[in-house]
Amino acid sequence: GAGVSQSPRYKVAKRGQDVALRCDPISGHVSLFWYQQALGQGPEFLTYFQNEAQLDKSGLPSDRFFAERPEGSVSTLKIQRTQQEDSAVYLCASSLAGTSAQTQYFGPGTRLLVL
Amino acid sequence: QKEVEQDPGPLSVPEGAIVSLNCTYSNSAFQYFMWYRQYSRKGPELLMYTYSSGNKEDGRFTAQVDKSSKYISLFIRDSQPSDSATYLCAMSEDSNYQLIWGAGTKLIIKP
Repeated sequence: GAGVSQSPRYKVAKRGQDVALRCDPISGHVSLFWYQQALGQGPEFLTYFQNEAQLDKSGLPSDRFFAERPEGSVSTLKIQRTQQEDSAVYLCASSLAGTSAQTQYFGPGTRLLVL
Repeated sequence: QKEVEQDPGPLSVPEGAIVSLNCTYSNSAFQYFMWYRQYSRKGPELLMYTYSSGNKEDGRFTAQVDKSSKYISLFIRDSQPSDSATYLCAMSEDSNYQLIWGAGTKLIIKP
């Protein structure tokens, strides 16, 4: 079956632009996670949804970052007024249920480059 | 100093060799230890998951945890070119999603 998909796969933005990154989780997966992976680093947790409820947004680095999952399936991560330090790969992961890390399936990521 | 340290490599070995990948950590409260494989332009894929100390084997892969030394290892036997990827360790105090990740080691298996 289809895995987690993300779009766009690559995004180049000028500093100050707003961007929206999309995640399509595996069908039926209740939990959805966003991570930021800087070059040469491991992923860092951004936020977690259970269905449409955002239960943890403690990892969002600033109020320029906003995530939503209005119908409990597709999720969008929005970054306003992008900065060069936002350049990274943004990974989405989904899980059938629960919060255990070992049950998460990752998408391929969106590579964001802010010039 | 980072909570989890991992040599970035690259580590280059010939096909068929035994590979040893390692991470050290500072938080003695970590109990859940994971190894992920990440191919270029792909997301991480869970390889091995271990709770507390000890060994776990799955096919060509063996994970070891030494909590007294705060040191974990992943061994790959009979390495194949398809094993070429970045290997990331990750760990947590409990089994939830708040993992602390290593930076990853790039592994190259030469045919």
